[in-house]
Amino acid sequence: NAGVTQTPKFQVLKTGQSMTLQCAQDMNHNSMYWYRQDPGMGLRLIYYSASEGTTDKGEVPNGYNVSRLNKREFSLRLESAAPSQTSVYFCASLIPPRNTGELFFGEGSRLTVL
Amino acid sequence: DAKTTQPTSMDCAEGRAANLPCNHSTISGNEYVYWYRQIHSQGPQYIIHGLKNNETNEMASLIITEDRKSSTLILPHATLRDTAVYYCIVRATSGSARQLTFGSGTQLTVLP
Repeated sequence: NAGVTQTPKFQVLKTGQSMTLQCAQDMNHNSMYWYRQDPGMGLRLIYYSASEGTTDKGEVPNGYNVSRLNKREFSLRLESAAPSQTSVYFCASLIPPRNTGELFFGEGSRLTVL
Repeated sequence: DAKTTQPTSMDCAEGRAANLPCNHSTISGNEYVYWYRQIHSQGPQYIIHGLKNNETNEMASLIITEDRKSSTLILPHATLRDTAVYYCIVRATSGSARQLTFGSGTQLTVLP
């Protein structure tokens, strides 16, 4: 099925551990986004990528790195996880403006840092 | 992109119309109004968008005021499954990708 696929769906880390959240879209979209959502809060933009090979910081980039190696994949890395990074992480890709211009979201990756 | 202001929460009786307001007084001429909803902890889902004309699709209607400083999302016959957080955002669709930010949204609770 076409869409945005995130892996893993659930992860538990210990403080200081590192991990990478993977995101892939098969809709040939140029722009991709990573958001985090803390309990009871709205979405906050971490990083985004306008096109393959480019990335830019969003509202809350500290503690994260991203990589856009190809058009399809946009990964989010936590180098040294902290309890404050416990959250649900959503990846999204942007349907081109000449169509509807909407964001298409994945189902989320739920991360707990102990 | 312009900021938006939405009420924190609203209730609506099942079967009645749900009218969700959004203020975007600093909207620019090339910015569209987009509505998304998030059911429980799923990824947000696109509902509808518009520039200045009213829009309708199978999910909802969008009414934008003539001065474009505010809009209302209308769910004509709300069901229990419409209970969700509704987000209103404004952004320009032209040019390169822009930062897209979501506020806290409106928690709509549809009551039986």
